[in-house]
Amino acid sequence: QVQLQESGPGLVKPSGTLSLTCAVSGGSISSSNWWSWVRQPPGKGLEWIGEIYHSGSTNYNPSLKSRVTISVDKSKNQFSLKLSSVTAADTAVYYCARASQLCSGGSCYSAFDIWGQGTMVTVSS
Amino acid sequence: EIVMTQSPATLSVSPGERATLSCRASQSVSSNLAWYQQKPGQAPRLLIYGASTRATGIPARFSGSGSGTEFTLTISSLQSEDFAVYYCQQYNNWPPSTFGQGTKVEIK
Repeated sequence: QVQLQESGPGLVKPSGTLSLTCAVSGGSISSSNWWSWVRQPPGKGLEWIGEIYHSGSTNYNPSLKSRVTISVDKSKNQFSLKLSSVTAADTAVYYCARASQLCSGGSCYSAFDIWGQGTMVTVSS
Repeated sequence: EIVMTQSPATLSVSPGERATLSCRASQSVSSNLAWYQQKPGQAPRLLIYGASTRATGIPARFSGSGSGTEFTLTISSLQSEDFAVYYCQQYNNWPPSTFGQGTKVEIK
């Protein structure tokens, strides 16, 4: 089955750029799913960062839009996150997740059905 | 942005008892509502989508209900492995998709 694995530096300097990659295994990134990034600051809740389709179409959280870029590399079956001008407030566990259309009773709904294990990123000098 | 509000923040329940968790949306999300379970050090796991449909492999003791702005997750008889944090999420009006702040279900 499909598995997701995040990778990237665990420590980023303030004002720098956070860069993470999510490798998709057991399936194709070109399937009919959106691929998302979600983060969770220590001891806090979940925040949706944004998503990408294999065509390259993206949606971003307006609160982060000016600093976020999500891209896809179909040849490597992976997608990536870049978050610029980071501060301590960006310290979090970063998850990649698959948003699937799940159908029941003739209706279909989006939900994150597969998640990576998460990777902790600390912003500190 | 749609704000999702969960209550209570913490729910103390004895094993075998019923747990009822609430999630309210600041405007209608129809039935585009999902519930997730998260244990310490783990990624969230999808429990319910479409407000009331259990995801693959989820035990029948988990049930979801509601539509519009009011939703409920019920765990009929709590097992030891059910003590965790539960999040609701809307995917109706996005971006952004938004999560509630979570309800922690702890052992009484």
